[in-house]
Amino acid sequence: GAVVSQHPSWVICKSGTSVKIECRSLDFQATTMFWYRQFPKQSLMLMATSNEGSKATYEQGVEKDKFLINHASLTLSTLTVTSAHPEDSSFYICSARPLGDTQYFGPGTRLTVL
Amino acid sequence: SQKIEQNSEALNIQEGKTATLTCNYTNYSPAYLQWYRQDPGRGPVFLLLIRENEKEKRKERLKVTFDTTLKQSLFHITASQPADSATYLCALGRGGADKLIFGTGTRLQVFP
Repeated sequence: GAVVSQHPSWVICKSGTSVKIECRSLDFQATTMFWYRQFPKQSLMLMATSNEGSKATYEQGVEKDKFLINHASLTLSTLTVTSAHPEDSSFYICSARPLGDTQYFGPGTRLTVL
Repeated sequence: SQKIEQNSEALNIQEGKTATLTCNYTNYSPAYLQWYRQDPGRGPVFLLLIRENEKEKRKERLKVTFDTTLKQSLFHITASQPADSATYLCALGRGGADKLIFGTGTRLQVFP
């Protein structure tokens, strides 16, 4: 139980294009979903928290117009990196939290911007 | 601001021994603490959650302790195996809408 999927698992795009990453909770409903990014050999950095049907709450320093988050249903959240640049290249991981305190993570998406 | 430190960037132990990982925190009062395992290029996998009113929790070969006075959690893997080699992350939270705060992780290498 408590499986979270992400799609795509990796993506390469040209600078200036937009990339959408999907996060799905497969066997439970997630009241809250989280988006993280992780640089090599560093820990997870929370980007934003989203609750179904409401606007995402972004962490300080994260541009909400650049990283668009849509939590359309209790099982799906999407992160769109708009006008991507090479510095946006990173490992993006989502997590979903059903009722309770435990977060269940997706397998991550490796974004490379050329 | 709150700070979470995990012991040594890397820990190397021999197969069969007990691995002990440390998570220390300051300027924070968590309601619970979680441990995750992360393999290279993968998302973290939940292992154990221990609450502030619990001293110890076990799951198969894993044992976690939580000392709110010392502001420390210890994570033990007994009879360690090479398959246990991974990075282990501790994370603190207060519950509700509060976010998890992650430590930097300890990379464990179990050699035969």
